[in-house]
Amino acid sequence: SYELTQPLSVSVALGQTATITCGGNNIGSKDVHWHQQKPGQAPVLVIYRDTNRPSGIPERFSGSNSGNTATLTISRAQAGDEADYYCQVWDSSTVVFGGGTKLTVV
Amino acid sequence: VQLVQSGAEVKKPGASVKVSCKASGHSFTSYDINWVRQATGQGLEWMGWTNPNSGNTGYAQQFQGRITMTRNTSISTAYMELSSLRSEDTAVYYCAGAVAGTAIHYYYYMDVWGKGTTVTVSS
Repeated sequence: SYELTQPLSVSVALGQTATITCGGNNIGSKDVHWHQQKPGQAPVLVIYRDTNRPSGIPERFSGSNSGNTATLTISRAQAGDEADYYCQVWDSSTVVFGGGTKLTVV
Repeated sequence: VQLVQSGAEVKKPGASVKVSCKASGHSFTSYDINWVRQATGQGLEWMGWTNPNSGNTGYAQQFQGRITMTRNTSISTAYMELSSLRSEDTAVYYCAGAVAGTAIHYYYYMDVWGKGTTVTVSS
């Protein structure tokens, strides 16, 4: 089965840029989506199809995908961006989630 | 677009639970409905999907044989029933509406999420 690998945690200084990676075999050949989950809340889609932002998601959120790594970038990080972030793909008729990355803004 | 889930459940080991997910604000048949669960402190675990239009389903291998996803289009509601419950099934269960299509690649992603239903399995 297809596996997605994310770092357990990422720390970023307030106002700086956070980068969260999602590794998978030839993931660049798939569409990657990202979900944000704040404590006690349901997930929210923040990036779909590698680079697209749903309405209401700030421009500070961006994505890229190439080779074996997809990346979620959060510019000018705010305290409100603290959350768990999950990458997600479709593979062999199943949904696959990464293990999640806890973003801490310090 | 909203997905409204049923309330919390407490079940004994060996029992079954049926969680509902009612769609409003959009055509019920415009999204696949997926079910995803999350144990406390753990990540997201995908359980399966159902197409409200056709009734077709697809289940994650680890749940095959004890999960059933159904829908009632007249009331825009999808259901997920899990049987033979054990303590490890204690989790928050989310329904999510998924968008699918093909551009360069086939894509499938959760576009809208319900707020979750807590299921506790305890003797």
